[in-house]
Amino acid sequence: DMKVTQMPRYLIKRMGENVLLECGQDMSHETMYWYRQDPGLGLQLIYISYDVDSNSEGDIPKGYRVSRKKREHFSLILDSAKTNQTSVYFCASSPGTANSDYTFGSGTRLLVI
Amino acid sequence: GDSVTQTEGQVALSEEDFLTIHCNYSASGYPALFWYVQYPGEGPQFLFRASRDKEKGSSRGFEATYNKEATSFHLQKASVQESDSAVYYCALPNYNVLYFGSGTKLTVEP
Repeated sequence: DMKVTQMPRYLIKRMGENVLLECGQDMSHETMYWYRQDPGLGLQLIYISYDVDSNSEGDIPKGYRVSRKKREHFSLILDSAKTNQTSVYFCASSPGTANSDYTFGSGTRLLVI
Repeated sequence: GDSVTQTEGQVALSEEDFLTIHCNYSASGYPALFWYVQYPGEGPQFLFRASRDKEKGSSRGFEATYNKEATSFHLQKASVQESDSAVYYCALPNYNVLYFGSGTKLTVEP
């Protein structure tokens, strides 16, 4: 079954706490992505990973870091979460070839209070 | 940089109405164009793509035709159903990264 799995689905954290969002895929896709989704802004790219330990900043990387130690797993880390990081976070994967489509996870809804 | 623009933030229709959601793009090259659909509580799903001028992409009764002259890829459906209520995103790739429009929320009343 080809899918992207995100954990947890819902998360509440206090400002200043560390946050770990996890993402896994079972398609052996090389490329994985983290986006955040906010009302009126659509999907904004945070980080992209081209393979294990090969990560690049997206358009809004500030306040985030990522880790990819296995091809099937990509983590998003928020060190000292801020209230403006309240959002819905989506992970996606793709084969990485030109014009390939993405498979998205169901998202993690993060509330920072 | 390359981008897509969706002019309608929200569209409200009744069942069996005709749907058009507008998407215009700005790109230096000749990009592929995509449509994604996102149902409540889920991640976006690939709907279809088109890669060249005048090519029509289609899926689940939705279609869009790549128009290079007008720089457009408008989504259409002849007769919408309540189950089509969702957010629709137009997207284009830039160096293998998909950039999404701001999305159009479609609400279909029974």
